[in-house]
Amino acid sequence: NAGVTQTPKFQVLKTGQSMTLQCAQDMNHEYMSWYRQDPGMGLRLIHYSVGAGITDQGEVPNGYNVSRSTTEDFPLRLLSAAPSQTSVYFCASSYSAGRTQYFGPGTRLLVL
Amino acid sequence: KNEVEQSPQNLTAQEGEFITINCSYSVGISALHWLQQHPGGGIVSLFMLSSGKKKHGRLIATINIQEKHSSLHITASHPRDSAVYICAVNTDKLIFGTGTRLQVFP
Repeated sequence: NAGVTQTPKFQVLKTGQSMTLQCAQDMNHEYMSWYRQDPGMGLRLIHYSVGAGITDQGEVPNGYNVSRSTTEDFPLRLLSAAPSQTSVYFCASSYSAGRTQYFGPGTRLLVL
Repeated sequence: KNEVEQSPQNLTAQEGEFITINCSYSVGISALHWLQQHPGGGIVSLFMLSSGKKKHGRLIATINIQEKHSSLHITASHPRDSAVYICAVNTDKLIFGTGTRLQVFP
């Protein structure tokens, strides 16, 4: 099993550009989530999904969209990148919200 | 005030020392997680516990629900234990602490 995969590993964007961060898992997990990690702060939940076709907002959803058309994939879209979105983004999956989380390797995003 | 507080923020140890990292929380929880983040950035789940104690190799995690406190212990620490250790609690979502950076020197 590949576990949780994320692409790209690193991305530089200009302010106003859009992009999609990809996340996929092969463990048949229903619960998937996106976090951002900033210096001096704990991981913060952006969006999550409890199954295909169901998504909901987390703590810091503004500027991000998600969709969940399949159990395996949970892409995160930045609509119009801003410097405040410079961060490291982690995707995670688990059988349910309260169970052990499996994290992807992260995407480091720099917005200029 | 953060809902999850970890101490210390930074910890330096000599190889072989016994390490303790603390986590206190202020909300009602269903479970608590300990995670490890290596310098390369990857995050791995170490423990999930809702009561008592769990042990895996040289790692021991304990939780006291009444006191809203958990500890992560590392026995016979080794340089490969150098990492950031993160506490997270389950409410209706996961709330993360800011992590404890551990460096173990030979």
